[in-house]
Amino acid sequence: GAVVSQHPSWVICKSGTSVKIECRSLDFQATTMFWYRQFPKQSLMLMATSNEGSKATYEQGVEKDKFLINHASLTLSTLTVTSAHPEDSSFYICSARDGAGGPEGNEQFFGPGTRLTVL
Amino acid sequence: GQNIDQPTEMTATEGAIVQINCTYQTSGFNGLFWYQQHAGEAPTFLSYNVLDGLEEKGRFSSFLSRSKGYSYLLLKELQMKDSASYLCAVLDSNYQLIWGAGTKLIIKP
Repeated sequence: GAVVSQHPSWVICKSGTSVKIECRSLDFQATTMFWYRQFPKQSLMLMATSNEGSKATYEQGVEKDKFLINHASLTLSTLTVTSAHPEDSSFYICSARDGAGGPEGNEQFFGPGTRLTVL
Repeated sequence: GQNIDQPTEMTATEGAIVQINCTYQTSGFNGLFWYQQHAGEAPTFLSYNVLDGLEEKGRFSSFLSRSKGYSYLLLKELQMKDSASYLCAVLDSNYQLIWGAGTKLIIKP
């Protein structure tokens, strides 16, 4: 199956700093990438959808100036948490879809996730 | 609104069979996914159904009835490593994945 990597796997930072998380599709071209956040014992929450070369579409309640998303190429999307605060501590997961069409093109392949802890 | 319902938690015995149900009401339907998620890890793909019927894949099977807005995931010969959360997700008319809250499956010896 398709492989998606995320970096870093975990990060601890001080309140007020910015953190960048990278999501890469390793063996396919991802026309669409998704960023999710998951708090302990809760389900995945979609934060935003990004298509290569265009602005991300944010879900209601997600601050686009705080969570900057860049999908500059067909294999890389980045999420930058700006001026992070303790309440931003969460498990951030990206997924990618190759958009090839048909059932195979609808599956989302998930990265391993990034655990962010803001002190 | 869009809604996906699945039980919060289920308990089963090692070696037994368990069925996890999922009902959905979404704007359009382009398929239903089941994912497995172990604690602290990202979800992993289990199955995709877009036509009615049963899809079997080893110990796991997934069933879909579009007219009833219903799916189930069937796990046979349960193993301790099957203890995880199982997420049901529907692809709506905009090809957006709508996620259920997940079912935590606890396997007891």
